[in-house]
Amino acid sequence: GQNIDQPTEMTATEGAIVQINCTYQTSGFNGLFWYQQHAGEAPTFLSYNVLDGLEEKGRFSSFLSRSKGYSYLLLKELQMKDSASYLCAVVDSNYQLIWGAGTKLIIKP
Amino acid sequence: GAVVSQHPSWVICKSGTSVKIECRSLDFQATTMFWYRQFPKQSLMLMATSNEGSKATYEQGVEKDKFLINHASLTLSTLTVTSAHPEDSSFYICSAKPRDYEQYFGPGTRLTVT
Repeated sequence: GQNIDQPTEMTATEGAIVQINCTYQTSGFNGLFWYQQHAGEAPTFLSYNVLDGLEEKGRFSSFLSRSKGYSYLLLKELQMKDSASYLCAVVDSNYQLIWGAGTKLIIKP
Repeated sequence: GAVVSQHPSWVICKSGTSVKIECRSLDFQATTMFWYRQFPKQSLMLMATSNEGSKATYEQGVEKDKFLINHASLTLSTLTVTSAHPEDSSFYICSAKPRDYEQYFGPGTRLTVT
């Protein structure tokens, strides 16, 4: 079966750094997405990785290791508005998006 | 960037009635749109893939006669929840792909069936 694992919830302090991990086991791999979703809203695109390595975009970075079936999203200089759920999604061999359950990130002052 | 809209943003209906949700790509054409459902504290669940000019492809366990999808044009797809029941209350989200891998989501429609 296809499976994506993320921690259910994480807590971090404003101004700090947090890393949200995602491990996956899917039938094929055609890329991995990270989305941010605030409560009651639709997901918004953060990043897309298809090759191994680190992609940096402002305060957010995303890392991929295809051999390990592993990705992480790194958030720096945390702000209160970063409190949200972060969804990891993998594109499988049929170009279907397989979604993780999401990680709820709580930022404390 | 690509913009996807949904209408209505929220709707309350009585059990047994039907509700139509529209999904539009405002500044690009989308031959394929996707419909998702999300229950509280759960991940997005793909319901169906909507293809312009042809029948939608439904995921296993999704009743095609209950969730009618019509992809009438390259910028519009509609989802009709027929004979709605309280267990159909959920957050329905559509998405569309202007390019090979990017996927843009609509703002979602919150359906409450009383």
